[in-house]
Amino acid sequence: DIVMTQSPDSLAVSLGERATINCKSSQSVLYSSNKKNYLAWYQQKPGQPPKLLIYWASTREFGVPDRFSGSGSGTDFTLTISSLQAEDVAVYYCQQYYSTPQTFGQGTKLEIK
Amino acid sequence: EVQLLESGGGLVQPGGSLRLSCAASGFTFSSYAMSWVRQAPGKGLEWVSTMSGSGGSTYYADSVKGRFTISRDNSKNTLYLQMNSLRAEDTAVYSCAKGGEMGAMLVYFDSWGQGTLVTVSS
Repeated sequence: DIVMTQSPDSLAVSLGERATINCKSSQSVLYSSNKKNYLAWYQQKPGQPPKLLIYWASTREFGVPDRFSGSGSGTDFTLTISSLQAEDVAVYYCQQYYSTPQTFGQGTKLEIK
Repeated sequence: EVQLLESGGGLVQPGGSLRLSCAASGFTFSSYAMSWVRQAPGKGLEWVSTMSGSGGSTYYADSVKGRFTISRDNSKNTLYLQMNSLRAEDTAVYSCAKGGEMGAMLVYFDSWGQGTLVTVSS
């Protein structure tokens, strides 16, 4: 199984500042034939289901604000929120869908400093 | 608008059974793989099972293989999860999730239901 490890486990950032969450996979999730990274990011607010933010490591889902961006390739990935807003307080998860079982990171809790 | 509505959760004793349903609308149900993902109270996300759009292919997490069965009725736009031999560690909110790209089974999830709580306890 591919193990997904996020860092940090929790993060406190001031409003308007940049937030960065990292995700590392235990093996590459880059599929050589199509050059795509099988990596997604989700946001989960209390009492709500997860919401897709980013897929293919860097493609923003329709309707997601452009302050959210994804980067990385192979085994190392980053979710960046360029200017933190109050509504961004949530737990963020990365997920690999390169192989079954699909696996998620343990989650990163983002709070306001 | 995509809508996914789960039902069937509840309290069940260890060793018991439960059948979850997920009613889907707003998209061509038979064209997309559908999955179940669970979240134990206060814990992270755990993928449980995926079924292809046609119903011909399935994947299961090792933790549920042999005990859970995923199925779908494309005429009713409904996904199911039959859960047998339930254990305390199966206690979680179970959500159905829609695959993000037509025809793909290994894919991100672009829509999620609110989930239904399954509690396994004596």
